[in-house]
Amino acid sequence: NAGVMQNPRHLVRRRGQEARLRCSPMKGHSHVYWYRQLPEEGLKFMVYLQKENIIDESGMPKERFSAEFPKEGPSILRIQQVVRGDSAAYFCASSLTGRHTEAFFGQGTRLTVV
Amino acid sequence: AQTVTQSQPEMSVQEAETVTLSCTYDTSESDYYLFWYKQPPSRQMILVIRQEAYKQQNATENRFSVNFQKAAKSFSLKISDSQLGDAAMYFCAYRSSGAGSYQLTFGKGTKLSVIP
Repeated sequence: NAGVMQNPRHLVRRRGQEARLRCSPMKGHSHVYWYRQLPEEGLKFMVYLQKENIIDESGMPKERFSAEFPKEGPSILRIQQVVRGDSAAYFCASSLTGRHTEAFFGQGTRLTVV
Repeated sequence: AQTVTQSQPEMSVQEAETVTLSCTYDTSESDYYLFWYKQPPSRQMILVIRQEAYKQQNATENRFSVNFQKAAKSFSLKISDSQLGDAAMYFCAYRSSGAGSYQLTFGKGTKLSVIP
């Protein structure tokens, strides 16, 4: 049973480009969470999605960031017009239910904006 | 809002010795979950141990155990017989158990080095 799969592991983008980060949850999991880890910091919640629905995006920056979890395919975190401050590790986690006692994390995508 | 504080940015321990990592948190809730996650250089977040606040008994998982002091809002992690593979960042995390609660709130982490 594969775990949470994130790709790419590393992504380099120039300022102004778009970054698309993908997350395939564990088999059978329909709840996905995105977290961001800035250097020397813990993970910070960004958004919680179920299939085709955004449940809570209170941690998402108001502009340039969006997330989706379509009926088919992986969840996508999209960052438009990236800036240097977007450089971070982005983690996806999934759970079987929304009231989970354990969310399983992927290995993260390290985004570097040059 | 809940906050989680890890006051030790870095710790080191001799191989085979015991080390304790500190974590305190702030909440007005009575029921919640507390977690310790390990993040090795691979960046994978690995759940080490979980504690449910309504349980008085401290959780244990092999060489890992916690000291949960609810009144003091303290949740420390003890690693016994430390091994080289224990070297990693360790994050303490909090989650409410209330309806609609799913966010994990993390501390800033403690970097643990194991000295051979």
